[in-house]
Parts: sequence; C-alpha cells; structure tokens
Amino acid sequence: EIVLTQSPAITAASLGQKVTITCSASSSVSYMHWYQQKSGTSPKPWIYEISKLASGVPARFSGSGSGTSYSLTISSMEAEDAAIYYCQQWNYPLITFGAGTKLELK
Amino acid sequence: QVQLQQSGPQLVRPGASVKISCKASGYSFTSYWMHWVKQRPGQGLEWIGMIDPSHSETRLNQKFKDKATLTVDKSSGTAYMQLSSPTSEDSAVYYCVRGYDVDYFDYWGQGTTLTVSS
Repeated sequence: EIVLTQSPAITAASLGQKVTITCSASSSVSYMHWYQQKSGTSPKPWIYEISKLASGVPARFSGSGSGTSYSLTISSMEAEDAAIYYCQQWNYPLITFGAGTKLELK
Repeated sequence: QVQLQQSGPQLVRPGASVKISCKASGYSFTSYWMHWVKQRPGQGLEWIGMIDPSHSETRLNQKFKDKATLTVDKSSGTAYMQLSSPTSEDSAVYYCVRGYDVDYFDYWGQGTTLTVSS
C-alpha cells in the first residue's frame, strides 16, 4: 500500500501570498490528482495527472512533481482558496488519499 | 450535465443493514467506473471500492471486503452500496463518485449521511 503524506497539515496564508502544499508518496507513483473540499460540501476535482487544472480552476493554481514528491501551488492566495486539499493516487489495487491540508486565510 | 443524485440521510440501528443509492444522469452510465468514498466527521477521505456498471465487476479496498457490497441497476442508471452490520464506526458521509479514466474522480454525489445509533 502506498501511503500519501501531506504537509503541512494546517497552514495559513495572507491575501496575495504564495502557498505550496506537498504530497509525499511512500513509493514512486506516476501521477497525482488533487481535490478541494470546503466545509459541508462534496470534494471537487482540482488538479489531475500532476498538473492539469480541472474545469473552472483559476490559473493561479498549479501542480507539479514526479516520483515520490508532488505539490500544489497557489501563486497568490485569495480568500476563496481557503479549503482542505487532498492528494490522491491509484496504485493497483488500492486508491489512497492523503490526510489533507487545511489552508486558512490569515 | 452530469449529475449523481444520492439517497437521503439515514439513521439506522447497529446491526441493521443499510443501502445507499446513487442515480446517475447526463452521461453513459456503463462507460465509467463508479466509486464510493467514506468520510467520517472531521476526517479525511477513504476509498471503499469501485464497480464497473457495464459488467458489474467490483474492486474493493480489502478493509471493506466484509462491510460493503456494490451493485448497479443498468436499466435505471443507479449504483448501490450496501453496508452490513453497521456500527458506530460506519457513521459517516458516503459519496458516490464517477471515475474518469478509472481513478480520476471528476463528478461527486452530494453525499449521504449515515448515522448508526441505538
């Protein structure tokens, strides 16, 4: 089973600040997906296959990585970006999620 | 537009079987795997398993092999998840999720809240 470890678990950013969330895999994986979840709502697809933005995701978001290390970056924090972000991958036969990173507005 | 409409919240007694439904619309139901994801209050996301609606082939997270049964009704475009002998540990929100290219979760249901309590 591949374990995904996200860091930080919680972080806060000011408006306009650059934010980076990382997802570390216990073994090498070939891609990573990311989801955004706000309180009381279903998760939303956010970034898929490492760096492709889902429909409607602002261009200030980007994804990168390879092997065991992947990241989600916000170039300039906006209030609407406050949420929990989860990374996810499929290493047959198991799909796993990271524990989530809670991003708050400072 | 793609929609996954789940059944409403349920309150069940411990040990009583429960079945959650997920009606899909706006796309070819048999062309995409359907997944189920669990989220306990204040916790993260946990993958339960998936079903290929075309052949009813299932793949389960081994943690849920004695807990969850996944089925579909192709005629109505509905996926089901049955949970056996629920305990308080099964109290959670359950999501059905469409799997694009199998494992990319591009559409989520609104979630079904299950409360197991006597």
